[in-house]
Amino acid sequence: DTEVTQTPKHLVMGMTNKKSLKCEQHMGHRAMYWYKQKAKKPPELMFVYSYEKLSINESVPSRFSPECPNSSLLNLHLHALQPEDSALYLCASSQDRSSEDEQYFGPGTRLTVT
Amino acid sequence: GQSLEQPSEVTAVEGAIVQINCTYQTSGFYGLSWYQQHDGGAPTFLSYNALDGLEETGRFSSFLSRSDSYGYLLLQELQMKDSASYFCAVVNYGQNFVFGPGTRLSVLP
Repeated sequence: DTEVTQTPKHLVMGMTNKKSLKCEQHMGHRAMYWYKQKAKKPPELMFVYSYEKLSINESVPSRFSPECPNSSLLNLHLHALQPEDSALYLCASSQDRSSEDEQYFGPGTRLTVT
Repeated sequence: GQSLEQPSEVTAVEGAIVQINCTYQTSGFYGLSWYQQHDGGAPTFLSYNALDGLEETGRFSSFLSRSDSYGYLLLQELQMKDSASYFCAVVNYGQNFVFGPGTRLSVLP
């Protein structure tokens, strides 16, 4: 199974809402990533988890809060977002950080903040 | 810091060969990856070069010159389904995985 799944596929939320994005992989990968991608731009790294520990936080605003409950799951909790946070949020995994050249991406969650 | 450059757009016809270049500036360079992303889809890994030279995978090949801080992706026998965005990405020691700005490839019939 080489699949990374993400739910929901689409999410519309107001600026006062709290929501969560979910990501799951069953490839035994020990590194997982959150990216943000705006239209016609490359994915931008937000967070990296290595062996369920937060390894990198790219100075992302605190309204984004990641969580890695176990080696297969990755969540991104959203609170008090701004309209400019509307984007495609991609989850990815790799065997470990030393194999980050080859990442497997999920289909993404398209987020609209109103 | 890190910076990568790619052409923003490339157009070619079916059956042709196209080369997408990538130049990079970074410290602690380890290797260069290439990803394909169709509109509305997720990035998909294509290839990785850590050593100088050409790596061939079917119709796609990737080249790296560490001394020139340069790499390219070569697509042969272009097909309509190859129309997509192509990103190079740098793997660094102790730094983050960074994507280039992307090249949008349009394949015409």
